[in-house]
Formats: sequence, C-alpha cells, structure tokens
Amino acid sequence: KQEVTQIPAALSVPEGENLVLNCSFTDSAIYNLQWFRQDPGKGLTSLLLIQSSQREQTSGRLNASLDKSSGRSTLYIAASQPGDSATYLCAVLAQGGSEKLVFGKGTKLTVNP
Amino acid sequence: SAVISQKPSRDICQRGTSLTIQCQVDSQVTMMFWYRQQPGQSLTLIATANQGSEATYESGFVIDKFPISRPNLTFSTLTVSNMSPEDSSIYLCSVGASGRSYGYTFGSGTRLTVV
Repeated sequence: KQEVTQIPAALSVPEGENLVLNCSFTDSAIYNLQWFRQDPGKGLTSLLLIQSSQREQTSGRLNASLDKSSGRSTLYIAASQPGDSATYLCAVLAQGGSEKLVFGKGTKLTVNP
Repeated sequence: SAVISQKPSRDICQRGTSLTIQCQVDSQVTMMFWYRQQPGQSLTLIATANQGSEATYESGFVIDKFPISRPNLTFSTLTVSNMSPEDSSIYLCSVGASGRSYGYTFGSGTRLTVV
C-alpha cells in the first residue's frame, strides 16, 4: 500500500529565506508526483507536476525534484514571501489497480515579514 | 487545464440533515473524484464518479451516506446524508482529463460544519 510522508509538518521562516519541503513515498511504481498548495479552508492549487521519467520541474521561484528510485521529492522555494504562507501537499499517482492520488499530510509553511 | 466551479463554499448544518455539494467543470471529463479532508488531516478519496454508471466507493465510504450523481460529463453532486458532527470536513471534487499526463485539478472546496 502506497504511503506518502511529508517532513516537516510545519515550518516557520523569515521573509527572503530559501527553503526545502520534503516528500517521501514507499512504492516507486508511480506515474507522476504533484505538488499542491492549499490556503486555509480552501481547495488545492496545482503547483508542479513531475512525471516518473523526469528529474525536476521549475515554475518561477519553485523547483521540484524527483528521485523515484529512492522514493523522494523535494519542493524548493526561493526567496520566500509572506504570500507563500500556506499548506503544501504532495501526492503521487500510483500505478496498478484504480488510478488514484495518494496524499501526504502536508507541510504548513509560515513566512514571517 | 479544466476549471471547476464548486458550491457551496461553506455551510453550517444541523445534525440529521443532508447537504448536496455541486461541481461544474468547464470541459467534458470521464472521471470525477470526491475527497474528504477532516480537520488537520490530508485528503481521503471518497469515490470515483463516472458518467452513466454508479460511483465506485473507497473502503469506509458507502452510497447511503454519500450518494453521488453524475448526470453528464461536466457535472456531479455529492450528498452528505444524515449528518453528524464527525462529518465536519472540507469536501473537494477533482478531475483529471488525463491524470497520468497532466495531473489533477481541484475545486475550491466546501467547508462543512455540522452542529
């Protein structure tokens, strides 16, 4: 059974700092991995999608990496801003059986001005 | 990617009543997914809704409690029936026209509080 773990559960940093969020998964048989952002009480906004054959994806100040063999992904946020404060979720699309996303519990990020 | 309109955005309901949540997609999609996010927890898949057939429910979720309709390729509803305070959660719908290639898009969520 695929399990996704995110570390740390919460992170507080001063504005301007570069930071890394971690995601690990137990089964490397995945189609892709997706990073989402969730603001309090709201839905999910997709940030980056990495296919299983890719090593990284970049969008603006965000860079996500994927090491499928070791079951790890990182989300790097450069020059953090207070507007980046949110919960960041990673999810893997597992191969085999029904196609469904498996989510981690998220990292709650607070960027202090 | 698809744009999903989900409503209501939030509601406060009395125990024992039912609430129907709607999701409208701006393009035709084969599968729609319904998730629950309990306070402080991650997302759990409730069911997958295909047009023209009964929804497929995940372990721990039953049709009597969470009936789903999927009348066409752009619309679905989830009803939370006979609510109790334990049903207080955020409910989200999601679509993935080709999830393997393009990932998944989520609605804005419905924040439900049962009192």
